[in-house]
Amino acid sequence: SQTIHQWPATLVQPVGSPLSLECTVEGTSNPNLYWYRQAAGRGLQLLFYSVGIGQISSEVPQNLSASRPQDRQFILSSKKLLLSDSGFYLCAWSAGQPEAFFGQGTRLTVV
Amino acid sequence: SQELEQSPQSLIVQEGKNLTINCTSSKTLYGLYWYKQKYGEGLIFLMMLQKGGEEKSHEKITAKLDEKKQQSSLHITASQPSHAGIYLCGADGNGGSQGNLIFGKGTKLSVKP
Repeated sequence: SQTIHQWPATLVQPVGSPLSLECTVEGTSNPNLYWYRQAAGRGLQLLFYSVGIGQISSEVPQNLSASRPQDRQFILSSKKLLLSDSGFYLCAWSAGQPEAFFGQGTRLTVV
Repeated sequence: SQELEQSPQSLIVQEGKNLTINCTSSKTLYGLYWYKQKYGEGLIFLMMLQKGGEEKSHEKITAKLDEKKQQSSLHITASQPSHAGIYLCGADGNGGSQGNLIFGKGTKLSVKP
């Protein structure tokens, strides 16, 4: 069966520090991968999605970037965090089915 | 751009009572998804609706998509504390391109024992 791993679960980082969140999927090949952010009172917002290795589409301009170095690995990064980057980040995957499946999320607090 | 509006924003019900959550889209829905999220955790997929008038049920949760495919409702019968959480509706954005999901802001459900 397919599983998705996302880490860390929680993270507290100072303003200006770098960020790296990792997501890996097991049990499937060539999945579509997504990064979402859930900010208080704003619902879920799609940040990036990838249909293959090295293929990244950005939905909104921001201080973040994403990379897909391997088929089942998706990384969310930032060189310098802003206070506004705080939120709950969710990784998701889909492959051949309409619905997406989500990881457990990372709660990021920028202080 | 397509937007999803959920109502109510929050809901407190007594255990055993029925409840309904609504999701309205600004454009025709090509795929409508219902997810449940416990605070600070990932999303759990509940149901997907694609056809106008479609209705699906899982245990005590029923989701419907109207004929015009612009509104969906999620109905919980005889609510239990285990139903508590945040319910989100999601839809395929960009006219159905796979995976480009957009979401409503969620409905926070509390069930009092």
